[in-house]
Amino acid sequence: AQSVTQLGSHVSVSEGALVLLRCNYSSSVPPYLFWYVQYPNQGLQLLLKYTTGATLVKGINGFEAEFKKSETSFHLTKPSAHMSDAAEYFCAVREPMDTGRRALTFGSGTRLQVQP
Amino acid sequence: DTEVTQTPKHLVMGMTNKKSLKCEQHMGHRAMYWYKQKAKKPPELMFVYSYEKLSINESVPSRFSPECPNSSLLNLHLHALQPEDSALYLCASSQGTGQGGNQPQHFGDGTRLSIL
Repeated sequence: AQSVTQLGSHVSVSEGALVLLRCNYSSSVPPYLFWYVQYPNQGLQLLLKYTTGATLVKGINGFEAEFKKSETSFHLTKPSAHMSDAAEYFCAVREPMDTGRRALTFGSGTRLQVQP
Repeated sequence: DTEVTQTPKHLVMGMTNKKSLKCEQHMGHRAMYWYKQKAKKPPELMFVYSYEKLSINESVPSRFSPECPNSSLLNLHLHALQPEDSALYLCASSQGTGQGGNQPQHFGDGTRLSIL
C-alpha cells in the first residue's frame, strides 16, 4: 500500500526566502507523485507532477521538486517566497499500475505562511 | 479559471432535506471523482466513476448517492444528512486510460456544505 508523509504541518518563511516543503512516500514501486496547492475557499490546483524521466520537475509559479528514489522523497522548493504563495500544499501519490483505483493518496498537508 | 465547474458554491440544508451537488467538465476526461474535505484535512476519496460506471465506493453511507448521467456530468445526491457531513465537497476528473493513471486529477473549487 502507498502512503505519503509531509513533515511539518506549518511552515513559516519570510518573503524572499527559500521555500522547502517536505514529502516522503512509501510505495512498493516508484510511484507517480504530485504536488497540489489549495488557496482558501478554493479547490486543489496542480503545481507539478513526476511520472517518469527527468527527476527534477518544474511546475507553475516558480516551484520545482526533485524525485529522489534513494530517499523516497519528493520535496517541493521555491527559491524566493512571495506573499501570494501562502496556502495549503498537498503531496499526493499514485502507484503506476493501480488502474482499477485511479485515486490519489494525499499527505496531511503543509500550511505555508509568508511573513512580510 | 478551473476547468471543472461545481455548483452550487455554498449549500445550507436541514437534515431532512434532499439536495444535489453538480459537477461538469468538458476536457474529455473519462474518470470522475467525489472527495470530501474537512477543515485543515486532506481530501478523502468518496467515489470514482470510470467511463460512466461506478468503480469505487469508499464505504460511503447511503445518504450520499452518486450519479454520472454522461461523460461530462457528475452528481451527488444528498438525503437525510447529519451535521458531521458538513464539509467541502470536491469533484475532480482525469483522463481514463489503462496506463495506470499518470495524468493528474483536475479539481473544481468545491461546494461548501453546511448541515443544520
